[in-house]
Amino acid sequence: DADVTQTPRNRITKTGKRIMLECSQTKGHDRMYWYRQDPGLGLRLIYYSFDVKDINKGEISDGYSVSRQAQAKFSLSLESAIPNQTALYFCATSDTGGIGGNTFGSGTRLTVV
Amino acid sequence: KQEVTQIPAALSVPEGENLVLNCSFTDSAIYNLQWFRQDPGKGLTSLLLIQSSQREQTSGRLNASLDKSSGRSTLYIAASQPGDSATYLCAPLGGGSYIPTFGRGTSLIVHP
Repeated sequence: DADVTQTPRNRITKTGKRIMLECSQTKGHDRMYWYRQDPGLGLRLIYYSFDVKDINKGEISDGYSVSRQAQAKFSLSLESAIPNQTALYFCATSDTGGIGGNTFGSGTRLTVV
Repeated sequence: KQEVTQIPAALSVPEGENLVLNCSFTDSAIYNLQWFRQDPGKGLTSLLLIQSSQREQTSGRLNASLDKSSGRSTLYIAASQPGDSATYLCAPLGGGSYIPTFGRGTSLIVHP
């Protein structure tokens, strides 16, 4: 099994629908992150969590929310999906301080029509 | 705020060439730096993690160096192959409340 697992791998949804992307990890890392990637814009941070009780906004959090259900689980929700949220979404983890590097999931390709 | 720049943004070379990919960052208070490879539409695969105390790390045909004082890292790819075609990203890493910051990557095409 992958160290960081994202579900679903692909999703097509309609404008206005609520959708949840899930991430689970077996790395035992405290820190988890959600990024989105758009062509030409690189990786942009949506939300991050340093432990179960810690949630922080990233640079592009509007329209998104997250839940850290356990150390190993971090989900991202789009409350009311819109077409410009069509992107590739990645979950990542790191140990405290990021000393051991970041581990990424395989990504979720989300299309909002 | 950490800012990361990768040069060149794109590179197209014939097979067999030795390549140099550059990464510069503005905040030198980092512990390590990580290089990733990303194939189109896929996730990021970690290639090398350079400890600041090591200054250099090698894996096969890949060699990465780190100069914290100048805010630079370089990824060398020896004897490039078509299978090396991908986007390469760098991410300086730090402690405390540091948040990983990524460059936009270098898009590499190696043609036969």
